[in-house]
Amino acid sequence: QVTLKESGPVLVKPTETLTLTCTVSGFSLSNARMGVSWIRQPPGKALEWLAHIFSNDEKSYSTSLKSRLTISKDTSKSQVVLTMTNMDPVDTATYYCARIPPTNNAFDIWGQGTMVTVSS
Amino acid sequence: EIVMTQSPATLSVSPGERATLSCRASQSVSSNLAWYQQKPGQAPRLLIYGASTRATGIPARFSGSGSGTEFTLTISSLQSEDFAVYYCQQYNNWPPLYTFGQGTKLEIK
Repeated sequence: QVTLKESGPVLVKPTETLTLTCTVSGFSLSNARMGVSWIRQPPGKALEWLAHIFSNDEKSYSTSLKSRLTISKDTSKSQVVLTMTNMDPVDTATYYCARIPPTNNAFDIWGQGTMVTVSS
Repeated sequence: EIVMTQSPATLSVSPGERATLSCRASQSVSSNLAWYQQKPGQAPRLLIYGASTRATGIPARFSGSGSGTEFTLTISSLQSEDFAVYYCQQYNNWPPLYTFGQGTKLEIK
């Protein structure tokens, strides 16, 4: 069974750096053309794609947030990590990780999401 | 950057009727278009990829069509469990970027 699970802080202060971890199971991050993205959703608002990492370690970032984001993976731990610097209250959202399989360019499996609140 | 525009923002339809949701891309995305369903408190679920291919386990009443800049998700006979928010998403080949629409809320009439 393929699963993804997000973990990280529930609350961060403005200007702090957020670090989120996505732990996957049921597949390997080294599988050819496999990829994992981070996507967020502010309360009551739409989905926003943030970053993606491919099995060959190629990375891609949202144009508007690129300067604040870093995505990485540890294949041995089956984890994908996202860091976002200089957090602001507008970054309050549920953060999801999701998989893109080799066969298509859509997010076929999603984690349950983790809610992050930015407040002093 | 490609912008995805969904219409309408809210669609009111009676159970058993057909629902048609639209998604427009600001430039051609070929068939690199997916549709998701999201219910309150849940993660999105993949319905359609490649503009028209149903994902595993998705009922046949869901169908997708279109290519280039105009796409449609059709639900042929609405069931109670279909009332939710629907998002379209495009994939850009290079640089690899993904963009979601702002969503269409499908509500019971």
